[in-house]
Amino acid sequence: QKEVEQNSGPLSVPEGAIASLNCTYSDRVSQSFFWYRQYSGKSPELIMSIYSNGDKEDGRFTAQLNKASQYVSLLIRDSQPSDSATYLCAVNGIQGAQKLVFGQGTRLTINP
Amino acid sequence: ETGVTQTPRHLVMGMTNKKSLKCEQHLGHNAMYWYKQSAKKPLELMFVYSLEERVENNSVPSRFSPECPNSSHLFLHLHTLQPEDSALYLCASSHSSAVAGEQYFGPGTRLTVT
Repeated sequence: QKEVEQNSGPLSVPEGAIASLNCTYSDRVSQSFFWYRQYSGKSPELIMSIYSNGDKEDGRFTAQLNKASQYVSLLIRDSQPSDSATYLCAVNGIQGAQKLVFGQGTRLTINP
Repeated sequence: ETGVTQTPRHLVMGMTNKKSLKCEQHLGHNAMYWYKQSAKKPLELMFVYSLEERVENNSVPSRFSPECPNSSHLFLHLHTLQPEDSALYLCASSHSSAVAGEQYFGPGTRLTVT
């Protein structure tokens, strides 16, 4: 089992709709969770962090964490073509190690 | 300069060459990281430095040799690489290695080994 798993996509969403990106992780004691956005040809950029169960909202972005199910998601409301990118889920604290383990990333395309 | 910078942005080298990648962070962070990003594979952590001390070496072949002379600069020395080492090499920094999650990445060096 991979330590951090994401559906690689591509995920296509019409403009204005909600994009839902999902991530599961293997280690129940993992501590903190992050979403990075990577545009084609660019480096990853941190867009959300979440540390406790529940929802965390920042503008059009909402991160959701369910530690019991070992599941973290990112919702993007009112999707824009500029949201088209690869979204990387990263988990810190797997097996107690203070380092990020990244998923493969989900490629998201917002269709005008 | 702001954020994290990397040079060169592109590098083509033969298998017998020796080259170095440079990273500089202007954020006042204490931890720096090297990652490798290959097509269709997750980001792979290579090395972690905290206050110039290496704290992580993720089973990286010895043909990759990191150097961290101070908390703002990080190098990756390359020698006798293989074609499968062709990838995007990313440098990142964070406030400390104990709070490793919020990392800021440089633009990367696209390396091609011929």
